[in-house]
Formats: sequence, structure tokens, C-alpha cells
Amino acid sequence: GAVVSQHPSWVICKSGTSVKIECRSLDFQATTMFWYRQFPKQSLMLMATSNEGSKATYEQGVEKDKFLINHASLTLSTLTVTSAHPEDSSFYICSAREGTGTGELFFGEGSRLTVL
Amino acid sequence: TQLLEQSPQFLSIQEGENLTVYCNSSSVFSSLQWYRQEPGEGPVLLVTVVTGGEVKKLKRLTFQFGDARKDSSLHITAAQPGDTGLYLCAGLYNQGGKLIFGQGTELSVKP
Repeated sequence: GAVVSQHPSWVICKSGTSVKIECRSLDFQATTMFWYRQFPKQSLMLMATSNEGSKATYEQGVEKDKFLINHASLTLSTLTVTSAHPEDSSFYICSAREGTGTGELFFGEGSRLTVL
Repeated sequence: TQLLEQSPQFLSIQEGENLTVYCNSSSVFSSLQWYRQEPGEGPVLLVTVVTGGEVKKLKRLTFQFGDARKDSSLHITAAQPGDTGLYLCAGLYNQGGKLIFGQGTELSVKP
């Protein structure tokens, strides 16, 4: 199957700093990418839909100024957690789809963020 | 509101027992998927069901999609300790192609 890679796998930062997480589709062009957040022992919560070349669409309750999403190319989307606080500590997972519509989604390995 | 109810959320059973996980929604899906996730990793797709009434089998796992394409179930026969993990159902909506996850079922199979 197609491969989606996230970097970094884990990151620790101080409160107040910003952290960028990358999501790359390695062997296909991803027109659409999705960002999820997952707390321990809980399910994945969709944060936003990232479309190449346009602004991301955020789910209700997700702060767009807090979680900046950029999808500048067909193989890369980034999520920047700005002015991070301990409550932002979570597991962030991206998924990517080749083309539009309802084709198969491929998931990254996830990125563990810990804010001290 | 897109809501996918998954139950039970926690399940602890002995090796050899059978179990069923349910996933229900008031919305109709274009397809429904079941994933399994290990700690610290992304979810791994187990199966996709598309047609109402569809039944798919994957070794000891049986997946069923409701006739109205609003609900699904995962049945595991003779569970083994290796089945331990987080099982997630996810519904794919035509609008926007978003995949929305249920709450997940944390399964523990004790030897």
C-alpha cells in the first residue's frame, strides 16, 4: 500500500513555543490530507481537512490560529501548533488520499507531542 | 452532527471467548472501515465494507455492514492474547470524503 510518513515521531517542547509536524506522502500525490488528534486511550478526533493549494477546513471547535495547517505541495502538509501549552500534548496523526472523492486513506505513524 | 457510536469502549475477556463490537450512527455512510491500532502507532486498516448487508471475514474476524449502511459490527471468534489492542470503526462520508471515527474499543484478551 501507499506510504505516509510523519516527522518528527515524537517531540518535547517548552510551553509557549511553536512546533511543526510534517506529513509526507512518499509514493503518491495527496490532493487531500487530514489531521487527527488522539488522547491516551481515546479515539481519533478529526481536526481539519487540508487541501493542496487552498486553505484548510477546520472542524467545529478547533482553533485555526492555534493549529496552523499548510498544504503547499501534493506530497507535504504541515501542522504547526503555535504557542503550545501542556493541554496541547497529544498524539497527532495525519492521513492522505490520492486524488479527490472517497478513495482509500493512508495513515502516518503519528507524532507524539509533549509540552512541558 | 456526524456521530459514530461505538460500544463497548472497554472489553476484557479470557482467551478463547467470543466478542462483538458495535458501531452505530444515524447517518448513512458511503463505506465503513474497521481499524486496529497499537500504542504509539497509526491505525491499520482491517477491512472496508461498502454494500448494505455485506459480510466480510478475515480469519477469526467477521465484519458486517447493516442493510441501511448506518451500522456495523465486528465479531471475533476464539479471541487470543494477540488480538489485544484498540479497535476503531470509521465512517466515510460522501461530503468532503471525511473519515469520522467512533470512540474505539480497547480490547484486552487475557491468557
